[in-house]
Amino acid sequence: DTGVSQDPRHKITKRGQNVTFRCDPISEHNRLYWYRQTLGQGPEFLTYFQNEAQLEKSRLLSDRFSAERPKGSFSTLEIQRTEQGDSAMYLCASSLYRGTDTQYFGPGTRLTVL
Amino acid sequence: AQKITQTQPGMFVQEKEAVTLDCTYDTSDQSYGLFWYKQPSSGEMIFLIYQGSYDEQNATEGRYSLNFQKARKSANLVISASQLGDSAMYFCAMRERQRGAGSYQLTFGKGTKLSVIP
Repeated sequence: DTGVSQDPRHKITKRGQNVTFRCDPISEHNRLYWYRQTLGQGPEFLTYFQNEAQLEKSRLLSDRFSAERPKGSFSTLEIQRTEQGDSAMYLCASSLYRGTDTQYFGPGTRLTVL
Repeated sequence: AQKITQTQPGMFVQEKEAVTLDCTYDTSDQSYGLFWYKQPSSGEMIFLIYQGSYDEQNATEGRYSLNFQKARKSANLVISASQLGDSAMYFCAMRERQRGAGSYQLTFGKGTKLSVIP
């Protein structure tokens, strides 16, 4: 199976700009998750989709963040009016709602806001 | 209170030796899952092993085994015959069944940095 892929791998932007990240899950995985990881910490949950429905959002996901998963395949995470505090690794994971429902992660997108 | 506690920020192990990475968790749920992930410097989170709360046997996957002590709420990862490629961050994570939400988000600890010495 092809693993989870994310694009871009690195993004450098200036404060106030909008950025969009893409995640392609493992094919046939119906659940998709976004996490954010800052230096020295474990990943923190942002949001979760089952098929195309966004079922849960963390309080970490401010109004400047929006995520979509049209057609239940790939997903995008957009950050509007970026702030320096948004600098982090953004990780996407997918799982199949069956068995252990293990989440498999992509390589992440490292965002640097100048 | 933290849901996942990893008390060892860093660990060293000699190549070919075994090492135990500690993880304790806090939950009031009866049904939950525990996971260990490896994160090399490249950043990708690599799934290693899973233990369900109702599993009676400790999970094993190749050189990885999970020492699950439910009463003590601990889920330590044991790596046997350490290799240089095992040098990485290791994260313990828990999935609880959220009442009514059906969410299956993972809650992670802060990780342990393992360094394997030749």
